[in-house]
Amino acid sequence: NAGVTQTPKFRILKIGQSMTLQCTQDMNHNYMYWYRQDPGMGLKLIYYSVGAGITDKGEVPNGYNVSRSTTEDFPLRLELAAPSQTSVYFCASSYRGSEEPQHFGDGTRLSIL
Amino acid sequence: RKEVEQDPGPFNVPEGATVAFNCTYSNSASQSFFWYRQDCRKEPKLLMSVYSSGNEDGRFTAQLNRASQYISLLIRDSKLSDSATYLCVVLNAGGTSYGKLTFGQGTILTVHP
Repeated sequence: NAGVTQTPKFRILKIGQSMTLQCTQDMNHNYMYWYRQDPGMGLKLIYYSVGAGITDKGEVPNGYNVSRSTTEDFPLRLELAAPSQTSVYFCASSYRGSEEPQHFGDGTRLSIL
Repeated sequence: RKEVEQDPGPFNVPEGATVAFNCTYSNSASQSFFWYRQDCRKEPKLLMSVYSSGNEDGRFTAQLNRASQYISLLIRDSKLSDSATYLCVVLNAGGTSYGKLTFGQGTILTVHP
């Protein structure tokens, strides 16, 4: 019953460093999403994918990159970490994206100092 | 105008009270609607989907009015365990926003003894 798995759960980065947030799902879901949630705020969509090889920008894509080479994996890349990217990052997936429940990972808490 | 707007809250209600949350969305092409709950520092979890005919799940009732682009959630007989942030979520399944989930900023509910 793995569902959506995110790694790492916590990370502290220095300004200018890069890292990849990993997300994998074992439910054969087509749709996958990356969100960020700042303290006391709602979720904002960074990028999403409707299937392997297809990605699209969400509301706040600047400073991030994604890829979707397989159905299972949807990594999020930060190239030059900035303090404004301190947030909690959630990955989610769903089978068809409509009338289907969305499954979220536990989140990655990222601090950039 | 935000794509999805919710009651600003927070709502503080006694146990046993009935409380209603409202949500409006701006994209008339939106096709699917959901309510999620999010506990402090946890991932969002699906509470219920919202159907055009309205639907009920125990103490929770969701309504959709497509003409007014309005969604509601009614909680009857509030329990202490209902304390959480409630997120209104809209899925766009057409046009340039295909497969895109948009979250409202959330409404905080606190149920007190």
